[in-house]
Amino acid sequence: DGGITQSPKYLFRKEGQNVTLSCEQNLNHDAMYWYRQDPGQGLRLIYYSQIVNDFQKGDIAEGYSVSREKKESFPLTVTSAQKNPTAFYLCASSPGQGQAEAFFGQGTRLTVV
Amino acid sequence: GDSVTQMEGPVTLSEEAFLTINCTYTATGYPSLFWYVQYPGEGLQLLLKATKADDKGSNKGFEATYRKETTSFHLEKGSVQVSDSAVYFCALSASGGYNKLIFGAGTRLAVHP
Repeated sequence: DGGITQSPKYLFRKEGQNVTLSCEQNLNHDAMYWYRQDPGQGLRLIYYSQIVNDFQKGDIAEGYSVSREKKESFPLTVTSAQKNPTAFYLCASSPGQGQAEAFFGQGTRLTVV
Repeated sequence: GDSVTQMEGPVTLSEEAFLTINCTYTATGYPSLFWYVQYPGEGLQLLLKATKADDKGSNKGFEATYRKETTSFHLEKGSVQVSDSAVYFCALSASGGYNKLIFGAGTRLAVHP
């Protein structure tokens, strides 16, 4: 089935450790995004990528890094510089051109202890 | 910049009641508008969309009409069910090429039997 796969669904890390969240899509979409969601709040854009080997900072990029070496993959690294990393992370993709809707993965809940 | 404003929740209704969730937007040009739904612990699913003024998006009994004169995209359903309990997000995709989605804060709906 076509879609977006995020893994793992739950992730626990100790404070001070970097952690990488996986996002893979087989929709042949050009654009991919990472959002952060905190309890009772909306989605905030972390990074986005329109094309392979290119990405741009969103509204809250500090403490995060990404790569886009393949069209289908857009991993997010939460670094130790991120002050408050515990959150629900959502990956999405869209065709990129025009104003088509985005398709979301099931999310990864990261807890840093 | 572009923004989306939703009515605050939670919205609590009895089964078969009429639902309205207000959404207004600020954007230059002619954005596309979307409603997404999020069930507990899940990612976002597209509920409906409208791409130009006066378009009506509809799906699963939900409807929303793109009103450019009032910059609104209110979500309505004539008779809600317990299974409609979720968080609803209004979003826009700005015109002018690349479609980065901008979300409202979300509105939680709780439907009781």
